[in-house]
Amino acid sequence: EDQVTQSPEALRLQEGESSSLNCSYTVSGLRGLFWYRQDPGKGPEFLFTLYSAGEEKEKERLKATLTKKESFLHITAPKPEDSATYLCAVHPEYGNKLVFGAGTILRVKS
Amino acid sequence: EAGVTQSPTHLIKTRGQQATLRCSPISGHTSVYWYQQALGLGLQFLLWYDEGEERNRGNFPPRFSGRQFPNYSSELNVNALELEDSALYLCASSFLPANTEAFFGQGTRLTVV
Repeated sequence: EDQVTQSPEALRLQEGESSSLNCSYTVSGLRGLFWYRQDPGKGPEFLFTLYSAGEEKEKERLKATLTKKESFLHITAPKPEDSATYLCAVHPEYGNKLVFGAGTILRVKS
Repeated sequence: EAGVTQSPTHLIKTRGQQATLRCSPISGHTSVYWYQQALGLGLQFLLWYDEGEERNRGNFPPRFSGRQFPNYSSELNVNALELEDSALYLCASSFLPANTEAFFGQGTRLTVV
């Protein structure tokens, strides 16, 4: 069964304190791995898609990387406005759907 | 360019009633996906529609159904509502039926009392 596990469940950082979020997955063939940001009561906002091991993508203070078994979302010098739930999802080879992890709740304090 | 729009924003229903949720995809997108996000749980895949046809279905009972109209907008119907159906229902759309870079709407918060 396709599965996505995100850790930690929650993370508190001071402004400027860099860290990483982890997304490990087991899937029957990977067509893509997605990162989304979700603010309370709102729909997920698309951040990145990664397709193959070794691939990296960056956007402002965020950098996503992918290996054969996991992905990391690195946050460099975070600001309070980066506070949100970060969701990881995989697109399995079979069945056109995204399988989501439970998310990591990030709180950045000034 | 308008994003994915969902209506209503909030919906309160009584147990046993039916709920209808609506979604308009981004212009040019033909695939529409429905997800359920219950409190404390991750997003669970409900349904995928493409070109007016149901293409895939998640592990939900038949009382969860929907359709896609010729203009690619979509409707999710939940019959015989149960308390545990209370959740944020999210619609997403994509240009190709590969779910690549699917964009989500703001969701409909359904509360069953």
